[in-house]
Amino acid sequence: AQRVTQPEKLLSVFKGAPVELKCNYSYSGSPELFWYVQYSRQRLQLLLRHISRESIKGFTADLNKGETSFHLKKPFAQEEDSAMYYCALTPRSFQKLVFGTGTRLLVSP
Amino acid sequence: DTGVSQDPRHKITKRGQNVTFRCDPISEHNRLYWYRQTLGQGPEFLTYFQNEAQLEKSRLLSDRFSAERPKGSFSTLEIQRTEQGDSAMYLCASTLEGPGELFFGEGSRLTVL
Repeated sequence: AQRVTQPEKLLSVFKGAPVELKCNYSYSGSPELFWYVQYSRQRLQLLLRHISRESIKGFTADLNKGETSFHLKKPFAQEEDSAMYYCALTPRSFQKLVFGTGTRLLVSP
Repeated sequence: DTGVSQDPRHKITKRGQNVTFRCDPISEHNRLYWYRQTLGQGPEFLTYFQNEAQLEKSRLLSDRFSAERPKGSFSTLEIQRTEQGDSAMYLCASTLEGPGELFFGEGSRLTVL
């Protein structure tokens, strides 16, 4: 079965510090990986996807198939990055997203 | 606002009552999903529609749950004989692309007393 693990429930950093939100997955095939974000009092929204290899709001994520990881990184955290972050995967040929339990990022001034 | 809308936003009911949630997707999106989220967990897949056809249902969806999407537009999720364990946030999402690029609604929070 497919599984997404986010080991940290809470990650607290100071403004300007680097951030790495961990995500590990278990799936025998080649999944598509995503990061979703939910800011306070807003709806869940897509942040980025691995196939795009893009940087969104300064965040990047690299798929490491050897380590089955898809960690989210940002070199300098901003207060507005404070939010709930969910890693998710969709197995190829499946039609649903499997989410992790989420990590709350708190960026303090 | 042309995003996904859900109604009601919050429903409080007594155990044993029936409840129905409605979701209006983004108009051109042909796929519609229902997820459930409980405290401290990520969203869990319940079911999805492509146009009016319900193509997949999770094992989480007991016989007390039924979802419809008549005419391939809005969708309803009904829970019959609610139980306290049904208390959760019910999220609707829609997409035109694959299952990963979902546009979520704000959710309908169910509290079963």
